[in-house]
Amino acid sequence: DIQMTQPPSTLSASVGDRVTITCRASQSISSWLAWYQQKPGKAPKLLIYKASNLESGVPSRFSGSGSGTEFTLTISSLQPDDFATYYCQQYNSYPLTFGGGTKVEIK
Amino acid sequence: QITLKESGPTLVKPTQTLTLTCTFSGFSLSTSGVGVGWIRQPPGKALECLALIYWDDDKRYSPSLKSRLTITKDTSKNQVVLTMTNMDLVDTATYYCAHRRKRNYGSGSFDYWGQGTLVTVSS
Repeated sequence: DIQMTQPPSTLSASVGDRVTITCRASQSISSWLAWYQQKPGKAPKLLIYKASNLESGVPSRFSGSGSGTEFTLTISSLQPDDFATYYCQQYNSYPLTFGGGTKVEIK
Repeated sequence: QITLKESGPTLVKPTQTLTLTCTFSGFSLSTSGVGVGWIRQPPGKALECLALIYWDDDKRYSPSLKSRLTITKDTSKNQVVLTMTNMDLVDTATYYCAHRRKRNYGSGSFDYWGQGTLVTVSS
């Protein structure tokens, strides 16, 4: 199985901050990576697919980059609605696996 | 508009079999590239993909749970059913179903999700 790691598990930031969330794969997954946002009690929401493609309807302050084993999700200017947990997920090979999540909390 | 909704018991006893149904609309499981997956999330923990089924009846299972899982589809009813045998306390989680197009047919990610259903395992 490909292991997905997201350090740190919690990140403190303020409104307006530029936030970068990291995801690492245990082996190369090319660009087959998605990012999801999840709020408490809600289903995950797709933000980014194929490492850097913005899902329709997602604000342009979200962007993704990386390939191989290192990936980042960047929020250019953190908004109050962005405080949530973010998960990466690889779909290079089965089983499809998720990272442990990074919670973005208010500083 | 694509929607999915999970249904099934909210409480099961240890050793029992769990049967969950995902009822969807807005797409067909007979369309090339389309699939439905089941993903679970224990309280306060991360997401875990359990099983997927595709338009061509290709099925994929989590290796660690494969012996306990069965996924089937009923294209005429727009439903996908997941059964998990020998339920244990550690299987307490919110179970989601989600729409996926294989990466050669679309984004490859889970782009539409159901609201999830919390299943508690307790005696």
